[in-house]
Amino acid sequence: EVQLMESGGGLVQPGGSLRLSCGASGFSFKDHYMDWVRQAPGKGLEWVGRIKNKFGKYATQYAASVRGRFTISRDDSKNLLYLQLNSLNSADTALYYCVRDTPSGLDYWGQGALVTVSS
Amino acid sequence: QSVLTQPPSASGTPGQGVTISCSGSSSNIEKFAVNWYQQVPGTAPKLFIYDNDQRPSGVPDRFSGSKSGTSASLAVSGLQSEDEADYYCVAWDDTLNGRVFGGGTRLTVL
Repeated sequence: EVQLMESGGGLVQPGGSLRLSCGASGFSFKDHYMDWVRQAPGKGLEWVGRIKNKFGKYATQYAASVRGRFTISRDDSKNLLYLQLNSLNSADTALYYCVRDTPSGLDYWGQGALVTVSS
Repeated sequence: QSVLTQPPSASGTPGQGVTISCSGSSSNIEKFAVNWYQQVPGTAPKLFIYDNDQRPSGVPDRFSGSKSGTSASLAVSGLQSEDEADYYCVAWDDTLNGRVFGGGTRLTVL
């Protein structure tokens, strides 16, 4: 069974940093692209970015709203996906989902990690 | 303002049919496959339609997707109360070099 479990969410002050982790199991993690998608409270879904697999040279792509502030990385030896969030502001307050990316779309989603940016 | 445009709400009575539209452009929907996600409030989104018109296993055949030009649609026939949820369209955009979501449509079964 495919499982994705995010961790590391919490309350952070404006301008602060946080690192989210996502543990993957039940599939060959190293073979898949992985994405982060976020959802602000009461709002719609927003794509944050993705990281390709080793064959794709671990290339990353980001939404314009987070480019230069957020960094996606992965550790295939530990089946872990990361999202480093820097220079946070209130607009970054959201539930952050870790998502498996396939040629057919984003097929498996974690339950999300809540990031709250507030003083 | 979302890159893909969806109506904020749609509704119908049990047994009726409803269609949710998703409007994009030549840099996204016209070039790339459209997927649809269902999100029941308080839960993670679920892939409902992929590659414009394909249903993952477990998705009722009452749901169908289509695409024409720069627009896509999700049609639901024989509405049931369990269909109440938010529905999002998404596609790749080669101008933005990223995925773009619609703003979501809240489907209500009256």
